[in-house]
Amino acid sequence: GENVEQHPSTLSVQEGDSAVIKCTYSDSASNYFPWYKQELGKRPQLIIDIRSNVGEKKDQRIAVTLNKTAKHFSLHITETQPEDSAVYFCAAKEAGGFKTIFGAGTRLFVKA
Amino acid sequence: SAVISQKPSRDICQRGTSLTIQCQVDSQVTMMFWYRQQPGQSLTLIATANQGSEATYESGFVIDKFPISRPNLTFSTLTVSNLSPEDSSIYLCSDGQGAQGAFFGQGTRLTVV
Repeated sequence: GENVEQHPSTLSVQEGDSAVIKCTYSDSASNYFPWYKQELGKRPQLIIDIRSNVGEKKDQRIAVTLNKTAKHFSLHITETQPEDSAVYFCAAKEAGGFKTIFGAGTRLFVKA
Repeated sequence: SAVISQKPSRDICQRGTSLTIQCQVDSQVTMMFWYRQQPGQSLTLIATANQGSEATYESGFVIDKFPISRPNLTFSTLTVSNLSPEDSSIYLCSDGQGAQGAFFGQGTRLTVV
């Protein structure tokens, strides 16, 4: 089955700097890669996603990139703000579109 | 996006008892998913709940411990049986079939004493 690895586990940046979180997946047939943000005590919220036929996608200050050959995908947050502080999870959806497999999570701290 | 309501939001249960968690979706979905999130950890899929058939369990999770019902396309329950302190966790239901993101219920924080 699919396995998703995520790095780093913790990331601390200064407000205004950029943050990058990287993930790898094992199943080359996976075709959908969502990212979730989870604030303390709350449910995970989908913030952006990318499909395997696209190399990059942007939404305001966040962007995702996908390298299908290397089975890597990354989340980029620019101009970070204290409210970006949260745990971020990458995920991969298995071919057939049923199960979503999550990475271990990255705890992002944005220092004001 | 789907609206998913989950209850209870939290509970404290005695060892050896059971807790049933309910999940209601505001639209019909073929599959619903149940996850466990232990403190400070990621989400681990427990099982996939299909309407009209038995749930499909992931490795390490068994029906006797985590029975699931799926009586219709908008509702599912997860029971955590014979509770022990190791079952203390957050349990989440979600939708999310096909090439689209999952939406989650607000979670149930279970503490076993």
